[in-house]
Amino acid sequence: EPEVTQTPSHQVTQMGQEVILRCVPISNHLYFYWYRQILGQKVEFLVSFYNNEISEKSEIFDDQFSVERPDGSNFTLKIRSTKLEDSAMYFCASRETGFGYNEQFFGPGTRLTVL
Amino acid sequence: GEDVEQSLFLSVREGDSSVINCTYTDSSSTYLYWYKQEPGAGLQLLTYIFSNMDMKQDQRLTVLLNKKDKHLSLRIADTQTGDSAIYFCAESMGGTGGFKTIFGAGTRLFVKA
Repeated sequence: EPEVTQTPSHQVTQMGQEVILRCVPISNHLYFYWYRQILGQKVEFLVSFYNNEISEKSEIFDDQFSVERPDGSNFTLKIRSTKLEDSAMYFCASRETGFGYNEQFFGPGTRLTVL
Repeated sequence: GEDVEQSLFLSVREGDSSVINCTYTDSSSTYLYWYKQEPGAGLQLLTYIFSNMDMKQDQRLTVLLNKKDKHLSLRIADTQTGDSAIYFCAESMGGTGGFKTIFGAGTRLFVKA
């Protein structure tokens, strides 16, 4: 069964460092998303991406964040200068189309720890 | 704005039914979902309901939707210890964002043997 994969599963970094979280969406999917979940809190939408551009982003997704689809398979989230409060689980998701019902598949997540 | 509210904890005895409730604010929600998250794991889609439906049943799971009150519930029949997890209510709608999903804070279900 196709699945969304994410690497690494756990990333530890120093405050102020740049991190890149990687995701491989399901191959025929066209819509891609990043969400985050701070420990013990709700899952929050960060950004959606379609046709090589951002479709929508939340208030959390400020200038420190960027997304890219550098090739036909990877979808990345970059945090330019990490802060302590960026520590969270980051989930990537993909969906086949943006219309009608089709399941949004979530990856297993990358746990980011900022020290 | 978009918001999804749900109670934080529920404790039931094994074999009893569990009912987890949720309210949402956005009347333009198209789909409503229940996700399950076990400790340290990702998000597992349990079931979803389209906004023009009132009820959906899938084995031990029953979803009820009251669109007038913007209230969604998940009933788990014959709850087992393996059902202990966090259950997230979520909504999504179409638009330029292509069905971004808005989650509630999650209800932690404890099942006592």
